[in-house]
Amino acid sequence: DTAVSQTPKYLVTQMGNDKSIKCEQNLGHDTMYWYKQDSKKFLKIMFSYNNKELIINETVPNRFSPKSPDKAHLNLHINSLELGDSAVYFCASSQEVGNTEAFFGQGTRLTVV
Amino acid sequence: AQSVTQLGSHVSVSEGALVLLRCNYSSSVPPYLFWYVQYPNQGLQLLLKYTSAATLVKGINGFEAEFKKSETSFHLTKPSAHMSDAAEYFCAVSSPRINTGKLIFGQGTTLQVKP
Repeated sequence: DTAVSQTPKYLVTQMGNDKSIKCEQNLGHDTMYWYKQDSKKFLKIMFSYNNKELIINETVPNRFSPKSPDKAHLNLHINSLELGDSAVYFCASSQEVGNTEAFFGQGTRLTVV
Repeated sequence: AQSVTQLGSHVSVSEGALVLLRCNYSSSVPPYLFWYVQYPNQGLQLLLKYTSAATLVKGINGFEAEFKKSETSFHLTKPSAHMSDAAEYFCAVSSPRINTGKLIFGQGTTLQVKP
């Protein structure tokens, strides 16, 4: 029944490792997003895909690479993890690009040690 | 460029009291405005949105917000706070003209409800 689901919910890893976070939505939406929430709870968009095409790439280090195999999935791969990457990562989706009512997943809490 | 400022990072009210969470925006074009709520260890849930229709918007859980263009504000209110309203609240803005779906969030306001 979950509309936007992310896995894993918690991720603890060492510096320098490579990790992926998966996101799936069953709402039939065309647009998906990744947002980052820092330790002060500030939310900022990282990426947006519409029908598998990248439409937003905010000033994110190229260690972060999103991949959208189909419009229901948007995964986030992070290379060479750094301490500063520790945050909560939220996946979201919306029906279309112009409709910005976004539905959010539960978040993935990434801790880099 | 668009931006959102939420006045007061922490608001504390008594159960049954009025809730007022403040949000001011900056936008060179008519914006879409949103309020989201985040419960502990949860994702964000949409409370209400303004998309250029009625300026007084009613949302879920008894919340409402009024778009005031002259004051560039979109404050969130609820007449009577309930313990279950304790959460983090985010105001957000987007631009229908830029049309990327990008939400720009405020810093968030933590609402504490005292019994």
